[in-house]
Amino acid sequence: TQLLEQSPQFLSIQEGENLTVYCNSSSVFSSLQWYRQEPGEGPVLLVTVVTGGEVKKLKRLTFQFGDARKDSSLHITAAQPGDTGLYLCARPTGNQFYFGTGTSLTVIP
Amino acid sequence: NAGVTQTPKFQVLKTGQSMTLQCAQDMNHNSMYWYRQDPGMGLRLIYYSASEGTTDKGEVPNGYNVSRLNKREFSLRLESAAPSQTSVYFCASRRLAGGPGGELFFGEGSRLTVL
Repeated sequence: TQLLEQSPQFLSIQEGENLTVYCNSSSVFSSLQWYRQEPGEGPVLLVTVVTGGEVKKLKRLTFQFGDARKDSSLHITAAQPGDTGLYLCARPTGNQFYFGTGTSLTVIP
Repeated sequence: NAGVTQTPKFQVLKTGQSMTLQCAQDMNHNSMYWYRQDPGMGLRLIYYSASEGTTDKGEVPNGYNVSRLNKREFSLRLESAAPSQTSVYFCASRRLAGGPGGELFFGEGSRLTVL
């Protein structure tokens, strides 16, 4: 069962542009994670958000957890070609991790 | 640092053949996972092992079996491969520290094609 919907599925932008991707669910999360996956590699954890309304920054990446803890967003400022990859949200549930459908980002130089 | 190592990285099978994907981690993690990744589907959990000696089904376990050989190794077996099992398979282990739920560390993936 796919409980996490991500949008958009694909995004192609020019270097220097800003973008936002979204992760939504009908269920409340206790926490949510964002991973980035580069071609030919496994996903790597970027951040974990826990508290409703929480905002975390990682250089040019800003992560926000919705007030109701049912959604999250990732905003990238001044995107660079190195940001190209697949962005996945994930919901830890006990011993299991459920992943979203992913947003494939391409940043064109 | 080896982290999570998967073998083989590429494999082509014919329908009905069997094979085992191997995974080993050197980080002393208790929990290990097998996921498959298909276009537009994100990562779907096949099986996981919360600790040595235990295994549990995930979202898409049909057609697969697993063995937690010891704390380091967790293998995934396809007894009779089907074209629908063409996918990229990822093994992961979990570090509990660092935040709620912990953190997954992934291998580089095994690309399987079933003809």
